Order: sequence, then C-alpha cells, then structure tokens
Amino acid sequence: GAVVSQHPSWVICKSGTSVKIECRSLDFQATTMFWYRQFPKQSLMLMATSNEGSKATYEQGVEKDKFLINHASLTLSTLTVTSAHPEDSSFYICSARSRDRTYFGPGTRLLVL
Amino acid sequence: GQQLNQSPQSMFIQEGEDVSMNCTSSSIFNTWLWYKQDPGEGPVLLIALYKAGELTSNGRLTAQFGITRKDSFLNISASIPSDVGIYFCAGPPAGGTSYGKLTFGQGTILTVHP
Repeated sequence: GAVVSQHPSWVICKSGTSVKIECRSLDFQATTMFWYRQFPKQSLMLMATSNEGSKATYEQGVEKDKFLINHASLTLSTLTVTSAHPEDSSFYICSARSRDRTYFGPGTRLLVL
Repeated sequence: GQQLNQSPQSMFIQEGEDVSMNCTSSSIFNTWLWYKQDPGEGPVLLIALYKAGELTSNGRLTAQFGITRKDSFLNISASIPSDVGIYFCAGPPAGGTSYGKLTFGQGTILTVHP
C-alpha cells in the first residue's frame, strides 16, 4: 500500500490566493522530504529539500518566499504556494526518505484560474 | 548541473513486442534508477542499479548500468497493455545517495496497442 500520501490530490484556486499541500509519510519517520514540480509532458524538477526542524533548502531559481515549506514533524511536510498565479498550475509531487529508500507520493494537481 | 538525456521520447508498440529505452549523461552517475509513472500518479521505482556493469531484472524488466557510468538502459520484454506509462531514468547528484534528491531524465512515453 501507499507509504506516502499527499493532500489534496487536486485543487483549483483563484489567482492571488494561497494553497497548502500536505505530504505525509504513513508508516515511517522521514527527517527529509523532497518537493518536485512536473509540468504537462515534462520531467520532475526538484524544487526544494525539506528538513525536519530546520529551514528548507531551495534549488536555484525557486522562490523561497513564494513556495513556503514547513517540515514540522517527522511525518509531515507542507508546501504552501503563496499568491498563486496561473503559471503555478502544475503537478506537485513529494518524496519522503526512509532509512534506505525514497518513496514518492501520488502527487497534487494544482490549477490556478 | 547534471543532466540526463533519455531516448526515445515516445514509443508506440504492439502488445507482445519488446521495448528498449536508454539514458545518457555527460557526467558520471554512481546510481541509476528507473521509475514508471502512471497518469496522474507519482513515480514508482522499478529497478535500482548501484555498480558499473550491473545487470538487474525485475520480472519482464531488465536494466543495466553502463560500464562508463554515463549511461543505462531499460528493456521490457513481451509488453502488455498495463506497461503504458512514462518511464524515467533518475540519479542522485555527485556524492548523493539513491534515497536523496534526484535528477530525472525527460521521460519515455510508452503506448502499447492491444
């Protein structure tokens, strides 16, 4: 069964609003989680590394003030897309690192109108 | 940064045919991973390769870690309709591990006609 969940699975929001996406590891503790973004017919691009209890590490070109990451517990990381715009519409996928493997979540489809 | 070039971009095959796709890089990778992504889902790990020259199978899937450590291929034998999806190669950055952040190839879209 799924070991990493994401919520919501899809969301539609108005331009200018903020959207929070949750990533949970279901049966293991994940000190590190990763957030990826995937545009239609494209590959997964790493956005940031989420570390429990510390600040996230963002990849070059990803605005940390726009994509807020909080890893408040060993099983939960959240990604908040602030002041969302249509160009933020994408498929957001998280992964969670266990002792010797990384598991991907099912993804969250975001559509900004 | 490290880039992975995957080919072909897409394949249209008949059920029962064998499939081959590959991934190359201009820099050395110490680990090669092959994932499958179904529509609207996250990627699922198919095969992990950790040593140059390694040949690993998982059912009808076979993958090899190139000797130069700059390439890998994935073969699917006797394809079936449920093989449809996007196949990605991926690898960790230099010094990274297979369970850390990953760089993904562009993906190969596989369509299988019954």
